Amino acid sequence: DVKVTQSSRYLVKRTGEKVFLECVQDMDHENMFWYRQDPGLGLRLIYFSYDVKMKEKGDIPEGYSVSREKKERFSLILESASTNQTSMYLCASSLTTGHSRREQYFGPGTRLTVT
Amino acid sequence: QQPVQSPQAVILREGEDAVINCSSSKALYSVHWYRQKHGEAPVFLMILLKGGEQKGHEKISASFNEKKQQSSLYLTASQLSYSGTYFCGTERNQGGKLIFGQGTELSVKP
Repeated sequence: DVKVTQSSRYLVKRTGEKVFLECVQDMDHENMFWYRQDPGLGLRLIYFSYDVKMKEKGDIPEGYSVSREKKERFSLILESASTNQTSMYLCASSLTTGHSRREQYFGPGTRLTVT
Repeated sequence: QQPVQSPQAVILREGEDAVINCSSSKALYSVHWYRQKHGEAPVFLMILLKGGEQKGHEKISASFNEKKQQSSLYLTASQLSYSGTYFCGTERNQGGKLIFGQGTELSVKP
């Protein structure tokens, strides 16, 4: 079974802090994604990566950056946390584009509160 | 650009049927369906590729109308375990990036 893990289930940070959210997958997936989930808005893509050191902006990249130094690990960085970044953050991974089995597997999520 | 799901919420009695729709204004390559139970991660249900195919997963099936850029998820003889929020994710080309709808909250009551 594919397993996607996230470093924390709950996180509380202060405004202005630098925040790191870590995601690790164990199925050798090429693609990795970061979403935020807010009530009534569904899942919105922040960034995704289709290979090591490769990244592409999603729909709401402002205020975020990412890092993918190893295939299994994808980090989301909030350079200076703000209260409007309080949200549930979900990481996902999938096989490479073009593969017939490219459904996304999600981690349990990190609920981030910025005070 | 975000696909539109309807209805936003639906309440069913056990054994009843439901249909959830997902519409896009853009041409699509595929549509994914996921279910998220309260407090859990979204879980993949099925993918539909352009071509109008219909797929099934237990008593849950889906179709994709390429001309209308619309997908429908059919839940028949609903069970309590079907409760959750259903999301469609649309893929415009074979690039792996999904844009998700806002979700449809489904509650099945005994």
